[in-house]
Amino acid sequence: AQTVTQSQPEMSVQEAETVTLSCTYDTSESDYYLFWYKQPPSRQMILVIRQEAYKQQNATENRFSVNFQKAAKSFSLKISDSQLGDAAMYFCAYTDFQGAQKLVFGQGTRLTINP
Amino acid sequence: GAVVSQHPSWVICKSGTSVKIECRSLDFQATTMFWYRQFPKQSLMLMATSNEGSKATYEQGVEKDKFLINHASLTLSTLTVTSAHPEDSSFYICSARASPPDTQYFGPGTRLTVL
Repeated sequence: AQTVTQSQPEMSVQEAETVTLSCTYDTSESDYYLFWYKQPPSRQMILVIRQEAYKQQNATENRFSVNFQKAAKSFSLKISDSQLGDAAMYFCAYTDFQGAQKLVFGQGTRLTINP
Repeated sequence: GAVVSQHPSWVICKSGTSVKIECRSLDFQATTMFWYRQFPKQSLMLMATSNEGSKATYEQGVEKDKFLINHASLTLSTLTVTSAHPEDSSFYICSARASPPDTQYFGPGTRLTVL
């Protein structure tokens, strides 16, 4: 079965600095998607960024970018110029084309932004 | 785009009553919707996969007679918690899969409190 591991339960960063959240996964599939979702205190799950495994180019969305290392099964999220609104729980997630395409979530990393 | 609504956002009910939660994809059609439960400070736990026009598929350990799911149209899925008990109190989140781009978008969640 596929698994997703986030080894950092909590992270903190100074406002305007850069922070990287780690995620590793395990799968025997060659084609899949990886996601980072953000859950702020409102508890609304928000899609941050999406990466298709067949794409070698790392996905970017404004201040958010990923470092996708397929061979190492690593998918880290870099947040540049951190803002107070970035404070949230961040979940790494995996899905492939098997069945209903369920999401497999990591345990989450709580990110605190220090002003 | 890709907005998912969920109603109600919070509900309080008496033990033994039933509660219905609606999940709607507002600007896209979703053949597949998902229902999750989230305990405090934990990741999302998938309860069931809802497919339009067919029976839901429940995860192991989830009582299908207690958590009734109906996916009546391409934009609406409902979760009914029957004969609710205090242990059913939780945060319930739905998601709808848009395809393309094979991505789940989440509703804002429903906080259920059973007295």
